[in-house]
Amino acid sequence: KAGVTQTPRYLIKTRGQQVTLSCSPISGHRSVSWYQQTPGQGLQFLFEYFSETQRNKGNFPGRFSGRQFSNSRSEMNVSTLELGDSALYLCASSPRTSGGHTDTQYFGPGTRLTVL
Amino acid sequence: AQKITQTQPGMFVQEKEAVTLDCTYDTSDQSYGLFWYKQPSSGEMIFLIYQGSYDEQNATEGRYSLNFQKARKSANLVISASQLGDSAMYFCAMSTESGGGSYIPTFGRGTSLIVHP
Repeated sequence: KAGVTQTPRYLIKTRGQQVTLSCSPISGHRSVSWYQQTPGQGLQFLFEYFSETQRNKGNFPGRFSGRQFSNSRSEMNVSTLELGDSALYLCASSPRTSGGHTDTQYFGPGTRLTVL
Repeated sequence: AQKITQTQPGMFVQEKEAVTLDCTYDTSDQSYGLFWYKQPSSGEMIFLIYQGSYDEQNATEGRYSLNFQKARKSANLVISASQLGDSAMYFCAMSTESGGGSYIPTFGRGTSLIVHP
């Protein structure tokens, strides 16, 4: 099976712009989660989508949004970019077949966003 | 609130030796999962091993084993016969119910492992 893919891998934007990141989960996986990773804050949960519905959301401003399509692919959007949004954005998929803590999240390679 | 603590910011080990990476957790839930991930410099988080809170046996996956001590709330990762390719950041994570049937893992700050030839 192909792994989780994320595009683009690298992105440079300027303050005030917006950006859209894409994630394709492992075939058959219905849950997609997004994380932001920075040296200062570590790995922080952004949101989770399951069957096109947002099931959980982390503590991030409304500038961060996402969606999931019927084929489970997901996009994440950040509007009005700030310097502090520079980070590695990781997407993870899981099958959610057991519906519990045994579900393992499998991560993509990430998108490294630099805001100038 | 759930919390994962990794007290070793950096570890060094000689090639072919074993190394233990520490992880302690805090939760009031009875049902939870514990995970270890490896993150090389390329950035991708690679799943290594899983341990359920009700599992009585320590999990093993090849050279990786998880030393699970429930009473002490610790879930240390043991890597046997270290290889140069093991050099990476290692993250411990715990999954508990976050509401609405959603299980969101909480991650520790990570331990940087460097394997010397």
